[in-house]
Amino acid sequence: AQKVTQAQTEISVVEKEDVTLDCVYETRDTTYYLFWYKQPPSGELVFLIRRNSFDEQNEISGRYSWNFQKSTSSFNFTITASQVVDSAVYFCALSEGHTGNQFYFGTGTSLTVIP
Amino acid sequence: DAGVIQSPRHEVTEMGQEVTLRCKPISGHNSLFWYRQTMMRGLELLIYFNNNVPIDDSGMPEDRFSAKMPNASFSTLKIQPSEPRDSAVYFCASSPGTGYEQYFGPGTRLTVT
Repeated sequence: AQKVTQAQTEISVVEKEDVTLDCVYETRDTTYYLFWYKQPPSGELVFLIRRNSFDEQNEISGRYSWNFQKSTSSFNFTITASQVVDSAVYFCALSEGHTGNQFYFGTGTSLTVIP
Repeated sequence: DAGVIQSPRHEVTEMGQEVTLRCKPISGHNSLFWYRQTMMRGLELLIYFNNNVPIDDSGMPEDRFSAKMPNASFSTLKIQPSEPRDSAVYFCASSPGTGYEQYFGPGTRLTVT
């Protein structure tokens, strides 16, 4: 079974619109870590955020915000006032406490911001 | 501090040739990961090391693939013999430890003709 599900394969928005990328995870561990990565057209994978299972506080960084809800096993990512430079593939990932460092990546959501 | 360094950035080779990909992790990181990314299969973990020791190589597709980490600052992924279906982008990543983020190198784009 998929441990990380990103149901949205592709999303297109017009510049300045807000967009939310969904991430649903599955684990039986009480200790786990969630991550988001960005892969722009240039190809590199850029780390955006890390969240541990004991910290459900939402996080905001500029136009980016993350909503972690253990009740729904979700870790969603919102971009406010999207820009063309936000066009990329975004990956959500899970690391479980009992498996150490291994990451389980979702299949990614391709975001296109149209000028 | 330099990030994860991978070489070469691009490799084009003929089927049957040996290919060696190289990675230098971030200094002080004790975990190293090799991934492969293709359109069809997405991002796949091939193998990872903790403190230079291979921990999980279940993602290595076949015996043609092998990886080594002779010391904390260097790792190689070797494909021998290479096949066209090995064409992909190969990423190396390193992490300071359990539960921490992985930092990815720029990747090596391998094309096997």
